[in-house]
Amino acid sequence: TQLLEQSPQFLSIQEGENLTVYCNSSSVFSSLQWYRQEPGEGPVLLVTVVTGGEVKKLKRLTFQFGDARKDSSLHITAAQPGDTGLYLCAGYNAGNMLTFGGGTRLMVKP
Amino acid sequence: EAQVTQNPRYLITVTGKKLTVTCSQNMNHEYMSWYRQDPGLGLRQIYYSMNVEVTDKGDVPEGYKVSRKEKRNFPLILESPSPNQTSLYFCASSYRQPGFMNTEAFFGQGTRLTVV
Repeated sequence: TQLLEQSPQFLSIQEGENLTVYCNSSSVFSSLQWYRQEPGEGPVLLVTVVTGGEVKKLKRLTFQFGDARKDSSLHITAAQPGDTGLYLCAGYNAGNMLTFGGGTRLMVKP
Repeated sequence: EAQVTQNPRYLITVTGKKLTVTCSQNMNHEYMSWYRQDPGLGLRQIYYSMNVEVTDKGDVPEGYKVSRKEKRNFPLILESPSPNQTSLYFCASSYRQPGFMNTEAFFGQGTRLTVV
């Protein structure tokens, strides 16, 4: 099993602050996905990154895949209460299943 | 509307009483899987199916069974549930293996199972 470690596990911030969530592994992944999960719902895909060093932006969210394809980060600018949720990273390698990290639970207070 | 439907959403049962959680998708996806979600452990795959009549073990298959007789349905069976199977369960489907070639996994709303 290829482990993915997310940090921090919990994050509570005020509206308007910036934050970064990290997803690290000792293994190389072909691609890495970020999902967001709200209470009572299943995870929903936010983005897939495939190339080492790739940066993708989704409004106020910026996703980066490490050069060596072992790590990724999610940066949120000017967080809003609607960003509250559980953020999960998941790595994929050919021949293996999608491996999920433990998640980062974000709370943005108004 | 494209969706993955799980039933029931909530279930409380007693140790040893067989139960089945159903999962159905209407997107004609070939790949389906079951995950359990426990605090701090993320999602761990229980079983997956690449197509009809093709199933394989994931990371944590002990105590679970699955079947894939039709493309749209992928039930999860607990023959003799135990308290350590208390968890939040998710069914997911995708066109092909999620993560491969940007493939997205579509998740159901979850089944919260408590075994007492």
